[in-house]
Amino acid sequence: AQSVTQLGSHVSVSEGALVLLRCNYSSSVPPYLFWYVQYPNQGLQLLLKYTSAATLVKGINGFEAEFKKSETSFHLTKPSAHMSDAAEYFCAVSGSGSARQLTFGSGTQLTVLP
Amino acid sequence: EAGVTQFPSHSVIEKGQTVTLRCDPISGHDNLYWYRRVMGKEIKFLLHFVKESKQDESGMPNNRFLAERTGGTYSTLKVQPAELEDSGVYFCASSPQAAHSGTPGWTEAFFGQGTRLTVV
Repeated sequence: AQSVTQLGSHVSVSEGALVLLRCNYSSSVPPYLFWYVQYPNQGLQLLLKYTSAATLVKGINGFEAEFKKSETSFHLTKPSAHMSDAAEYFCAVSGSGSARQLTFGSGTQLTVLP
Repeated sequence: EAGVTQFPSHSVIEKGQTVTLRCDPISGHDNLYWYRRVMGKEIKFLLHFVKESKQDESGMPNNRFLAERTGGTYSTLKVQPAELEDSGVYFCASSPQAAHSGTPGWTEAFFGQGTRLTVV
């Protein structure tokens, strides 16, 4: 069984400040981990993924995440927030076997303040 | 290359009516997934097709939901009869054939924009 917990349903940061969105997972098998973003009126877009290679994963738009097995975490960071980063972010986990369906966290709405 | 397309983008129906949602995956993608997000909750898996076969339908809420994938191309999700608790956003996703066990390169699932279903 797999589960994902995203701490903070709403996060606000000032433009230029560090973005940190937290994600903890539970998985009985080696996990694949993902961050998706949903901009207003759009579908889910993959930001980055961890699939058992490098533990520090770089994604699009300057985001990165670090897989920490000991902490069962996969937090998303960006050094400097931009107004265009305002969106809802979802952490997700899947197994590494043939069943590739995703188990999502409840999402974090990021607001960027001017 | 066209992405995953879902129709309609919005649907408002009365309780007891029937609604059919459609998903056109990316051409050539064998895997097709349906997910649903009820307001305020997480996105939940409904079912998974590999080509025209249902690989996993463990997430389907009840027998009022029927999913099909004709000829392994587009998929439909029918809700009959709709209930108030069926309201939410229904997402479709597709991905290419999964890599064989032991080989690298899991490919991402590409999501559509979703269908917002409101049952009143």
